[in-house]
Amino acid sequence: EDQVTQSPEALRLQEGESSSLNCSYTVSGLRGLFWYRQDPGKGPEFLFTLYSAGEEKEKERLKATLTKKESFLHITAPKPEDSATYLCAVMDFNKFYFGSGTKLNVKP
Amino acid sequence: DAGVIQSPRHEVTEMGQEVTLRCKPISGHNSLFWYRQTMMRGLELLIYFNNNVPIDDSGMPEDRFSAKMPNASFSTLKIQPSEPRDSAVYFCASSLLGGYRRTEAFFGQGTRLTVV
Repeated sequence: EDQVTQSPEALRLQEGESSSLNCSYTVSGLRGLFWYRQDPGKGPEFLFTLYSAGEEKEKERLKATLTKKESFLHITAPKPEDSATYLCAVMDFNKFYFGSGTKLNVKP
Repeated sequence: DAGVIQSPRHEVTEMGQEVTLRCKPISGHNSLFWYRQTMMRGLELLIYFNNNVPIDDSGMPEDRFSAKMPNASFSTLKIQPSEPRDSAVYFCASSLLGGYRRTEAFFGQGTRLTVV
C-alpha cells in the first residue's frame, strides 16, 4: 500500500536555527511530490511541486529536494512566522496521499 | 480567480440532522477532491471527481455520506443522518490533470462541522 511518512512529528527551533523536515514515501508510479503549509484554522497552502529525483525548488527560506525515496524541506534561518504545520503529499495516478505533517514552532 | 470556495465556514448541527457542504472549485480545474481532517487521523481523502465523474469513493466512511458534482463549478458533500463522530474539518480541493503529471491541488478554507 502506498504510504507517506513525515518526521519529526514536531520540531521546535530557535529563530535562525536551520533544520530539515523529512518526507519518505512508497508509491508506485510517482507523478509528483507536493509540499504544503497549513496554519491553524486554514486550508493547506501550496508551496512546491517536485516531479523527478534530483529536482530542487526554493522559495525564500525554504528549499525542497527530492530523491527516489524521500524529500526534504530545508528551512534556513527560520523566523517565527515560519511556524506552521508542513504537509507532504505524493501523487500516484489520480490520488494525493498526505503525510501526517510536521508541526514547526520557531521561537524568537 | 478567488480560489476554491467552500460554504459554510462553520456548521453546528444536532445529531440526526442532514448536513450539506458546498464547494466551488477553481475555474478550469478538472479534478475535485473532498478531504476530512481530524487530529487523530490527519487528512483523509473521502472522494474525488475527474471531469465531474466520481472516480474513487473508497474513502467515504459509510452510506450516510454522499457527494455529487452536477457541473464543473459546483460540488456538494452530504451527511444524512449526521453523528457526533462526523465532527471534523472538511476540505475541498481542486487541481488540473493533464497528461502524466498533475498540478498541485489548491484547497479551500474548509468547513468546520460540529455535530452535537
